[in-house]
Amino acid sequence: AQSVTQLGSHVSVSEGALVLLRCNYSSSVPPYLFWYVQYPNQGLQLLLKYTTGATLVKGINGFEAEFKKSETSFHLTKPSAHMSDAAEYFCAVTSTGGSEKLVFGKGTKLTVNP
Amino acid sequence: NAGVTQTPKFRVLKTGQSMTLLCAQDMNHEYMYWYRQDPGMGLRLIHYSVGEGTTAKGEVPDGYNVSRLKKQNFLLGLESAAPSQTSVYFCASSYYKEQFFGPGTRLTVL
Repeated sequence: AQSVTQLGSHVSVSEGALVLLRCNYSSSVPPYLFWYVQYPNQGLQLLLKYTTGATLVKGINGFEAEFKKSETSFHLTKPSAHMSDAAEYFCAVTSTGGSEKLVFGKGTKLTVNP
Repeated sequence: NAGVTQTPKFRVLKTGQSMTLLCAQDMNHEYMYWYRQDPGMGLRLIHYSVGEGTTAKGEVPDGYNVSRLKKQNFLLGLESAAPSQTSVYFCASSYYKEQFFGPGTRLTVL
């Protein structure tokens, strides 16, 4: 079964520093890959997604992620953190078997320090 | 478009009481899902539906029932609430694998 690992349940960066949130998945078959963001007391909203084609994907709010098949990774980055980026971030991949279901990682809470 | 809406936003139950959470979407999506979110556990799939009149079990279905009588609505029921069901519940619908989430229902079972 597909699984998703997000390294680091909490990540803390200074404002203006690079943000790097790590995501690895288990399947050998390239899945669809997603990053969602959850602000406090809200639902999840899509940050970016990879389906096919270009492996570097740009999302909202200056975030981007790169699909690396050889490393089964889909790490999320942002060159310069802003206070408003403080939130919880979830990586998700499509379940095996062509289903619409997603498998979510356990989340990484990002703190941005002034 | 309202997207995905959930009713109610908050609820407090006593052990053994029952309740129904309502999810509605106006995007004409076939697929709908119910998740629960607990600290450190991420999102866990409770039940899902691949179309009107269909339901299927997810990862943590015990203690919950669902119904999808209309395409736009997906109901989650707790017949006899237990403290272990204290959680935040999210509904989602999907189109070409991208999921759209509601704002959540915070449920406390005393």
